[in-house]
Amino acid sequence: GNSVTQMEGPVTLSEEAFLTINCTYTATGYPSLFWYVQYPGEGLQLLLKATKADDKGSNKGFEATYRKETTSFHLEKGSVQVSDSAVYFCALLTSGGSYIPTFGRGTSLIVHP
Amino acid sequence: DTEVTQTPKHLVMGMTNKKSLKCEQHMGHRAMYWYKQKAKKPPELMFVYSYEKLSINESVPSRFSPECPNSSLLNLHLHALQPEDSALYLCASSRTGVTGELFFGEGSRLTVL
Repeated sequence: GNSVTQMEGPVTLSEEAFLTINCTYTATGYPSLFWYVQYPGEGLQLLLKATKADDKGSNKGFEATYRKETTSFHLEKGSVQVSDSAVYFCALLTSGGSYIPTFGRGTSLIVHP
Repeated sequence: DTEVTQTPKHLVMGMTNKKSLKCEQHMGHRAMYWYKQKAKKPPELMFVYSYEKLSINESVPSRFSPECPNSSLLNLHLHALQPEDSALYLCASSRTGVTGELFFGEGSRLTVL
């Protein structure tokens, strides 16, 4: 079956620090990969996605590269801001999963001024 | 219009009440979802509608009753809930197909007394 493993949080950083949140996956077939972000008191929103191997998704300074050889989709940002404090969910989608996304546990990011 | 609108944002109900949560989207998406999310956890899938037909019910108790009156609307009828049902209820929609990311509403925060 499909599964997504994310690093356990919270991740606590100072403003302007470099961010990496690890995500690895197990999937049947060829998944599409996603990062969703959930700000306090809100629903989830798509941050970025990649639909095939070696694709790089990017948005708002965040990047993630679809690595088939290591089955990973790590989220990175060069310089975080306080406003990036949120919970980040890695997810995958395959046709073998009836098009229902599989979410990771979520990683909480706290950025201090 | 890329919004999924959920009402109400907050709901408090007793265990004998009947209430409904509503969700609306005008993106032409033919898949709509209900998720339940507890604090600091990933969203848990409850129901999926595809082309207005219930396609997935994740063994949800019958005190939750979904309804899809048309392609833009999704309801969740609530009756005789338990305090452990208190959670954030998220509606989402998507294009069908493997690359279709989910668009989430902001959620309805439910408290059962």
